[in-house]
Parts: sequence; structure tokens; C-alpha cells
Amino acid sequence: DAGITQSPRHKVTETGTPVTLRCHQTENHRYMYWYRQDPGHGLRLIHYSYGVKDTDKGEVSDGYSVSRSKTEDFLLTLESATSSQTSVYFCATRSPSGNTIYFGEGSWLTVV
Amino acid sequence: DAKTTQPNSMESNEEEPVHLPCNHSTISGTDYIHWYRQLPSQGPEYVIHGLTSNVNNRMASLAIAEDRKSSTLILHRATLRDAAVYYCILRADGQNFVFGPGTRLSVLP
Repeated sequence: DAGITQSPRHKVTETGTPVTLRCHQTENHRYMYWYRQDPGHGLRLIHYSYGVKDTDKGEVSDGYSVSRSKTEDFLLTLESATSSQTSVYFCATRSPSGNTIYFGEGSWLTVV
Repeated sequence: DAKTTQPNSMESNEEEPVHLPCNHSTISGTDYIHWYRQLPSQGPEYVIHGLTSNVNNRMASLAIAEDRKSSTLILHRATLRDAAVYYCILRADGQNFVFGPGTRLSVLP
């Protein structure tokens, strides 16, 4: 358990509005990740961070941006939400050894 | 990224052993074999990982073929709580974790 807290846990928003999901960790892990999970697609990596202000794109980064101003916080922003971004979003951190990845409980986002 | 192949679904009876297979014929020498599982409405959680030798922990055992082209996750006595999607992942140092569709395990009482 890496003490990962995601907020909000559930959100309904309208198409075209910006949305920010927050991930907070208490273990001081360097690497943090945002995944989305959809039926038929499994877990797909959106963006990841390998340190404060150091981020990179994952497999499905279009329409998303991230920021990491502190080790403990990793923010995912949908600049203009679309219905295709309705999904469950999981934040994760990686242990220093690199062998274990820890997930948060997920954020359920519905874009109407 | 090296790829894995797992059955879409499997069934087991409660209190019986479960063998979850994973094929990874293109595995490289530096790839570790990781297993995660995802319970309903939760994020994935770590189960076990190994490189070449068989591994045991309190949750499961990992049996790795001698040529490393396949592996098997063994749950020694399935419980209802073990019903989940099980993911087999290959990962070398420095790479991200890539999740495939996994195997959905149903445990029958």
C-alpha cells in the first residue's frame, strides 16, 4: 500500500468543461502514473512522471495534460472534456526498486 | 514491448488450486514476469513477480518454465475473494507497466 488518494472519486461533468483529477501519495515515490480503464481496452497509460516537473506521454495522451509541482501530487487535466473521456481513471506509483506498482482506488468520470 | 497471451476467462471451485497460464514466447533476458490482479471496482494489486526461478509468497506461487517462454500463477486454495482479473506483465528495468486484457477468474462456491 503506497497511501494513494484520488479525488474526486466520482464526477459527472458536461462536454467542453475542464476537469482536474488529483492524485496524492504519501510514500515519496518518484514515479507516478495515470491510467484509464475502459471495457474492451483494459488499462491504458495516459501520462507518467519521473520526478517533480518531469512528465512524459503514454499511449493515450491526446486531450490530457498533467502537472507535478510536488513529489506527492500528480494532477491530470482534461482541458475540454468529451464523451469519449468517460472512463475510470487510476493513479499509480512505483516502488523505488521498480518491481511493484501501487494503484489508487480509481476516479469514475462521466462526461455528458 | 514483449507481449503476453492469457486465456480470457477461467473457472475454479472454491478451496481447489488454480493454475493461471501465461505465454510469453518473445520474452527477453532482462524481462521480469509480474502478476497483478484486479478485484471488482478496485485498482490492480501486486501478486508476485520473478525472473528465472520459481517464487512463492503468501498470496501465490509463480512457476516459470525453464526456457522462460511461459509461466503459471498458482493459487493454492481458491477463495471467493480470489475472483478477479489476473494480469501477466513483462517488464524490463526502465520500462512502464503495460497491462493486457488479463484472465477473468471466477470462483464457484
